[in-house]
Amino acid sequence: DSGVTQTPKHLITATGQRVTLRCSPRSGDLSVYWYQQSLDQGLQFLIQYYNGEERAKGNILERFSAQQFPDLHSELNLSSLELGDSALYFCASSAGTPSSYEQYFGPGTRLTVT
Amino acid sequence: AQSVAQPEDQVNVAEGNPLTVKCTYSVSGNPYLFWYVQYPNRGLQFLLKYITGDNLVKGSYGFEAEFNKSQTSFHLKKPSALVSDSALYFCAVRAYYGGSQGNLIFGKGTKLSVKP
Repeated sequence: DSGVTQTPKHLITATGQRVTLRCSPRSGDLSVYWYQQSLDQGLQFLIQYYNGEERAKGNILERFSAQQFPDLHSELNLSSLELGDSALYFCASSAGTPSSYEQYFGPGTRLTVT
Repeated sequence: AQSVAQPEDQVNVAEGNPLTVKCTYSVSGNPYLFWYVQYPNRGLQFLLKYITGDNLVKGSYGFEAEFNKSQTSFHLKKPSALVSDSALYFCAVRAYYGGSQGNLIFGKGTKLSVKP
């Protein structure tokens, strides 16, 4: 158990809909990262938050957005869903100090868009 | 731009034999390198990292990795493979943003299959 929690585990929804994925980082970790894993694209970085502020953006679509709340949990919002958005979405957290640059991943949310 | 390559889609090893999963990287500056393992329908588990220091890094579950700067490689190794090591292995490099915390850039993954 990494200490990172994600809900829900599975999500099935229709095209055009909007969903919210939730992540709670490990206790004490200020950084939260969101990644998408799909068969054709592999593991792709979407976005990073650090202590409530957006820190870096990767291959995140404009239809997707995220935020990190004062209690450090984060939410990833996916809207106007398309079939191609079906993927496994991971959240990871990190303390971010040089001695602990590793990221710890949650179990993921499997999104299926029908 | 930073990148990671895992040249083998799959590695097959007999139980008890040594295993190697290959990884090469391309970064500007000092690399921060990681190995993760993913079991079916599970998240990624951190195995080990190289930040600085000894070129041979020891990690979880008996895995180790050898950092080779001249060959820009960071191969994952284990002296004696177990059937339970069968999984998907990812090499990653930390993206560099001038000192701020960086996301991980992953290779495509290598499927390790250990047969009894």
